[in-house]
Amino acid sequence: DAGVIQSPRHEVTEMGQEVTLRCKPISGHNSLFWYRQTMMRGLELLIYFNNNVPIDDSGMPEDRFSAKMPNASFSTLKIQPSEPRDSAVYFCASSFQSDEQFFGPGTRLTVL
Amino acid sequence: GENVEQHPSTLSVQEGDSAVIKCTYSDSASNYFPWYKQELGKGPQLIIDIRSNVGEKKDQRIAVTLNKTAKHFSLHITETQPEDSAVYFCAASSNDYKLSFGAGTTVTVRA
Repeated sequence: DAGVIQSPRHEVTEMGQEVTLRCKPISGHNSLFWYRQTMMRGLELLIYFNNNVPIDDSGMPEDRFSAKMPNASFSTLKIQPSEPRDSAVYFCASSFQSDEQFFGPGTRLTVL
Repeated sequence: GENVEQHPSTLSVQEGDSAVIKCTYSDSASNYFPWYKQELGKGPQLIIDIRSNVGEKKDQRIAVTLNKTAKHFSLHITETQPEDSAVYFCAASSNDYKLSFGAGTTVTVRA
């Protein structure tokens, strides 16, 4: 199995630009999670999908952040407009009807 | 909500020695406790987990213990090797999707 796939691995953009992060979960998994990791705040859950439906988006920082899961094999996290404080590593994770979450390699986002 | 505290924040051990990382949690309803290892530039990787109906679990050189009464759990790595150098995270969950992570422990194994 290829594991969770994320793209791009690195993204550098300027403040005000739109950023789209992509995730392909492990085949057969029905739960998908987006996390953000920073030195100051550690690992934070942004949003959780179950069977493609957003269940909990209480961790999404503000309206500039949005996430979609149009089908079982693809999800996006969009930031519009981006700000320097959004700079972080964003992880996607997936699981199958259990607590065992498998993380992707992450996208390192730098907003200048 | 759940609050997980992890100690120490950094740990340096001689190769071959043991390493112990301790975590405490606040929510007595938590019943799932995974440990993740994160190497530089990679995502966290699940290395071992324990559920509240078990007090101890072992997998080769790694073991986890759980004390529900005291609300703490620990990771033990024996016979440490250079490849064990990484950041380790504990987490807790109350039987739902939401994992609350500790702040992480940077383990350095000196050759």
